[in-house]
Amino acid sequence: QVQLQQWGAGLLKPSETLSLTCAVYGGSFNDYYWTWIRQPPGKGLEWIGEINHSEITNYNPSLKSRVTISVDTSKNQFTLKVNSVTAADTGVYYCARSPRLITSSAVTSYKLDFWGQGTLVTVSS
Amino acid sequence: EIVMTQSPATLSLSPGDRATLSCRASQSIGNNLAWYQQKPGQAPRLLIFGASTRPTTIPDKFSGSGSGTEFTLTISSLQSEDFAVYYCQQYNDWPRTFGQGTKVEIK
Repeated sequence: QVQLQQWGAGLLKPSETLSLTCAVYGGSFNDYYWTWIRQPPGKGLEWIGEINHSEITNYNPSLKSRVTISVDTSKNQFTLKVNSVTAADTGVYYCARSPRLITSSAVTSYKLDFWGQGTLVTVSS
Repeated sequence: EIVMTQSPATLSLSPGDRATLSCRASQSIGNNLAWYQQKPGQAPRLLIFGASTRPTTIPDKFSGSGSGTEFTLTISSLQSEDFAVYYCQQYNDWPRTFGQGTKVEIK
């Protein structure tokens, strides 16, 4: 059974760095893209970015200047860092798994089939 | 960026009713669309991918249709556990984007 277990600091001050890690149990780590999504309180879902085992990343342009996603294949873990946080970065952060979709022209991510439990991150002075 | 627009924002229905949720993409995305269900305090759950394919763990009361820019999620007969928020998501291009959600509430 696949499980994604995430952790990280839940309370930050403005200008600090958000850091969350997601550990993957079960399945083949190298066959997937590993994704971060966030959800402000009472609002919808925002895709932050993704990484695969070869460290190929895709980021949301709205956050790209502040976000880094990295991977540690030896531990089956991936990490999200967001620099210079503000109150607007408050919300629940989820990690998720996306299988690879192989088409005639590319290999890409698609459905998000397993999710972590979510971590509430609050940015407040 | 591809903008996903869901309607209605809220759907008030009774148990046993049929629910029809819509999702529109700002440009053609083929069938590169997924639907998720989210209950309060929980992570989203994948319901549909490829616009119309259900994972094996999802009951057949959930069905998806559409292609291009117009998509529909249908729940054939609402049970108490189906009252939740539903999101569509496109994976045709980066950044991946979600609709703003449709809340299905008990009338």
